[in-house]
Amino acid sequence: AQSVAQPEDQVNVAEGNPLTVKCTYSVSGNPYLFWYVQYPNRGLQFLLKYITGDNLVKGSYGFEAEFNKSQTSFHLKKPSALVSDSALYFCAVRGYTGKLIFGQGTTLQVKP
Amino acid sequence: DSGVTQTPKHLITATGQRVTLRCSPRSGDLSVYWYQQSLDQGLQFLIQYYNGEERAKGNILERFSAQQFPDLHSELNLSSLELGDSALYFCASSVGRGGSDSDTQYFGPGTRLTVL
Repeated sequence: AQSVAQPEDQVNVAEGNPLTVKCTYSVSGNPYLFWYVQYPNRGLQFLLKYITGDNLVKGSYGFEAEFNKSQTSFHLKKPSALVSDSALYFCAVRGYTGKLIFGQGTTLQVKP
Repeated sequence: DSGVTQTPKHLITATGQRVTLRCSPRSGDLSVYWYQQSLDQGLQFLIQYYNGEERAKGNILERFSAQQFPDLHSELNLSSLELGDSALYFCASSVGRGGSDSDTQYFGPGTRLTVL
């Protein structure tokens, strides 16, 4: 069965520091991986996706993600965190029919 | 703004009642997906429609049903509501069936359902 895991419930980082939100996946075949962000009382916003090609994927708002096949990971990164990046982040893998299978989410807290 | 609209934003109802959630996909998108977000279950896929036809089913209860209309908007019907049905219900849309490289799902703002 396909699945993703986000091992950290919460990540705390100081503004201006680099941030990493971790995601590992389990799929058979080539993975289609996604990151979404959810701000309070808002829907999920698409950040980026990995389909194939370069292992470093660039997305919206300065975020990027690194695909690592040997470690089955797809970590979300940003070189310099902003307070406004504080939100709930979801990693997802696309299932056979196109449905998204989400991790449990990681709350990112960026402190000034 | 993703271009996906959902109404209503909030819904408060009583156990045993029936409600209908509405979703309009982005212009040009043919697939509509429904997801449920709850504290204990997280984000769970419920059902997908593509161009009016049911394409995939997830962990959707028999008390729940959905359809996609010729104008491509979709409705999720929840009946015999229970306290545990309280959740945030999201609709997402994508251009194709869901399996192509270009198929990214864009989410609406959600409908928060509270069952009292």
